[in-house]
Amino acid sequence: IAGITQAPTSQILAAGRRMTLRCTQDMRHNAMYWYRQDLGLGLRLIHYSNTAGTTGKGEVPDGYSVSRANTDDFPLTLASAVPSQTSVYFCASSDSGAGGPDTQYFGPGTRLTVL
Amino acid sequence: GQNIDQPTEMTATEGAIVQINCTYQTSGFNGLFWYQQHAGEAPTFLSYNVLDGLEEKGRFSSFLSRSKGYSYLLLKELQMKDSASYLCAAEDSNYQLIWGAGTKLIIKP
Repeated sequence: IAGITQAPTSQILAAGRRMTLRCTQDMRHNAMYWYRQDLGLGLRLIHYSNTAGTTGKGEVPDGYSVSRANTDDFPLTLASAVPSQTSVYFCASSDSGAGGPDTQYFGPGTRLTVL
Repeated sequence: GQNIDQPTEMTATEGAIVQINCTYQTSGFNGLFWYQQHAGEAPTFLSYNVLDGLEEKGRFSSFLSRSKGYSYLLLKELQMKDSASYLCAAEDSNYQLIWGAGTKLIIKP
């Protein structure tokens, strides 16, 4: 692995189903993020984690949960999917506190459709 | 409130120069990022400005004016592969990124 991977690449999901989007990074970055990207709205932060064991809410956290059991993995769970959660989901990581800009590096994204 | 404004779409000609503007209002400000995003792909980092002035990196340059809450991305010698969306993001005092909706740049031969 080099960088950030996300799985699945795409998914069609029935409303009401539970779904976990996976994200793994091998850069030993301390911070990780989940965004959703919708046409015309740009990237919106769902949840973030500054370090393993801690998480925080972003701009649009409702209906989503995250965990950060270790440095590398940051899964995003939709407990009961709704059609408004149809979007492209990007995971990102950064080496915050390293003394330089907090540049975020993005995974390839997961395209989720909720019917 | 926090807000980032950038044009929705711009068109330019191959070989020409284009300037993409971004204005921002944030709760505190640490710096300004520009990212490039090709259709169907992830955003990739282009530049970061923390001080006023112009930062040049090959064909791409980025400018920041902290007093005016203004930045621009300048692309020279445009190539067809530069057709993409360009995302402006301001880093607020909590080190969170506030993202603009992106500017879709269309390059014509």
